[in-house]
Amino acid sequence: GAVVSQHPSRVICKSGTSVKIECRSLDFQATTMFWYRQFPKKSLMLMATSNEGSKATYEQGVEKDKFLINHASLTLSTLTVTSAHPEDSSFYICSASTGSTNEKLFFGSGTQLSVL
Amino acid sequence: GNSVTQMEGPVTLSEEAFLTINCTYTATGYPSLFWYVQYPGEGLQLLLKATKADDKGSNKGFEATYRKETTSFHLEKGSVQVSDSAVYFCALGFSGGYNKLIFGAGTRLAVHP
Repeated sequence: GAVVSQHPSRVICKSGTSVKIECRSLDFQATTMFWYRQFPKKSLMLMATSNEGSKATYEQGVEKDKFLINHASLTLSTLTVTSAHPEDSSFYICSASTGSTNEKLFFGSGTQLSVL
Repeated sequence: GNSVTQMEGPVTLSEEAFLTINCTYTATGYPSLFWYVQYPGEGLQLLLKATKADDKGSNKGFEATYRKETTSFHLEKGSVQVSDSAVYFCALGFSGGYNKLIFGAGTRLAVHP
């Protein structure tokens, strides 16, 4: 099946630094990519939707200046957490879509971000 | 609003035991319902789905029935295996070109020999 590679799987950074997370579709072109965030024992929460070549659409309450999303090609989307703080520590997951039906969503394995 | 609630884990079972993971939802309109599974170190994978009331989704021995009257989509398997150990996510979504899914918190299942 289709594979989505998310990197890194785990990152620890100092408060105030920026962290970039990559999401790549390895064997298909992803017209749309999604970024989710999960706190312990909480639901996966959709942060933003990105379409190749256009600005991301952020969900209500998500700071677009803090969570920069770039979808420069049909196989790569990046999420940059700028000036990270401890409250940004979370599990981030990307997914990539090839079509309009939900079952064509493919997920990365997630990135655990810890901000010290 | 739309939301999904699923039972808190972890669920610990012996091999060949019966599994139920409860999932209930709140939705405006008529969503499709999904179960995703995440094995250690891997991305979420679609396990099964149902698109309308009374539909039953099934795959790999797992089943779930879309119950509109109880707004539920409980996941069941008659005899679990160690290889079923994973995190299971219930989710809802709407058709019409939208791929946004609303997930539950996930339930970790651990199956012991």
